[in-house]
Amino acid sequence: QKEVEQNSGPLSVPEGAIASLNCTYSDRGSQSFFWYRQYSGKSPELIMSIYSNGDKEDGRFTAQLNKASQYVSLLIRDSQPSDSATYLCAATMNTGFQKLVFGTGTRLLVSP
Amino acid sequence: EAGVAQSPRYKIIEKRQSVAFWCNPISGHATLYWYQQILGQGPKLLIQFQNNGVVDDSQLPKDRFSAERLKGVDSTLKIQPAKLEDSAVYLCASSWVGGDGYTFGSGTRLTVV
Repeated sequence: QKEVEQNSGPLSVPEGAIASLNCTYSDRGSQSFFWYRQYSGKSPELIMSIYSNGDKEDGRFTAQLNKASQYVSLLIRDSQPSDSATYLCAATMNTGFQKLVFGTGTRLLVSP
Repeated sequence: EAGVAQSPRYKIIEKRQSVAFWCNPISGHATLYWYQQILGQGPKLLIQFQNNGVVDDSQLPKDRFSAERLKGVDSTLKIQPAKLEDSAVYLCASSWVGGDGYTFGSGTRLTVV
């Protein structure tokens, strides 16, 4: 079982729609969760972090965490073509040191 | 603040040759990471330093890869000899001790032919 799993996509949504990206993780001891955006040929860029159950909103982005289900999601409201990228979910593993494990990423395509 | 600096940006080598990558983390960040990202995959942690000590190198192919972090600041990652499957982007990241959410450098794209 992979430590962090994501659907590779692509997820296609029209401009203005809500994009919903999902992720599951295997380590019940994971405490911190992150969403990174990666444009083609660029390095990952942190866009959201979440540490407790529930929702966390930042502008058009909402991260959701459910530790009981070991599930993390990212909602992007009013999707724009500039949001087209690969979104990487990451979780810290309970190793005693900060070790961030990434999923394979979900490719999002927003069409005008 | 200045970001994580990496060099070179691109490197093309023949298999069995050696190559080295350099990383300078954000000032004050004690934790430094090297990740390998193969096309279409998520980043995979190769090695993690805290100051100049290694805290995790469980996924580093130690028969060909080596890394060091001098004086707890700059770091180099070396591959010798390179294989075709080492073609990837090598990402360096840094963070505060116990900090969350790394900052990544721009990466080095390695092509082994």
